[in-house]
Amino acid sequence: QQQVKQSPQSLIVQKGGISIINCAYENTAFDYFPWYQQFPGKGPALLIAIRPDVSEKKEGRFTISFNKSAKQFSLHIMDSQPGDSATYFCAASAKSSGDKLTFGTGTRLAVRP
Amino acid sequence: EAGVAQSPRYKIIEKRQSVAFWCNPISGHATLYWYQQILGQGPKLLIQFQNNGVVDDSQLPKDRFSAERLKGVDSTLKIQPAKLEDSAVYLCASSLAWAGAIYFGEGSWLTVV
Repeated sequence: QQQVKQSPQSLIVQKGGISIINCAYENTAFDYFPWYQQFPGKGPALLIAIRPDVSEKKEGRFTISFNKSAKQFSLHIMDSQPGDSATYFCAASAKSSGDKLTFGTGTRLAVRP
Repeated sequence: EAGVAQSPRYKIIEKRQSVAFWCNPISGHATLYWYQQILGQGPKLLIQFQNNGVVDDSQLPKDRFSAERLKGVDSTLKIQPAKLEDSAVYLCASSLAWAGAIYFGEGSWLTVV
């Protein structure tokens, strides 16, 4: 019930295109859904996060879409750039479980110039 | 604002040897986490501290791993004796007690040969 399923495992997008990464969860107690970006040799960096009281959150070129009834959320990267090439992890946590994050398996994004 | 500091960044040891990793969280962050990230996978929580106390250590292999957080600030994670399957990145993270946002350090890379 703690699992977060992420797809696709890898993604290749042309510069300027839209990158879309999807996640699904089972635990209805989850109340915080962040996305992390990780470059090789670095720790995960918080990119954007959403709580279930809103269906969408946008920060610059990054948007989270959240569907509470379907228990799904996704990351959209608009106008993808080569500098966005990294591994992206979705995650979820519940205040009732001490806010500890459960991570998805990651999506390796490559943006071709 | 200084981020989460970790040391050493890289360590190579032989199996059955011991190793210790150090973490200094973001100033004022009461909650500290140690995650293990195996190559190609998402981070997995090992232990969570709230100030000095352990909140969750259910996934910590206690026969070989130990962690402590003295005075509610710095933390150390020790592995003794190390096994080949312990080769991973050990990520320290911290957060404010009431918030969902968790911030990671750059990690300590362990290779067990």
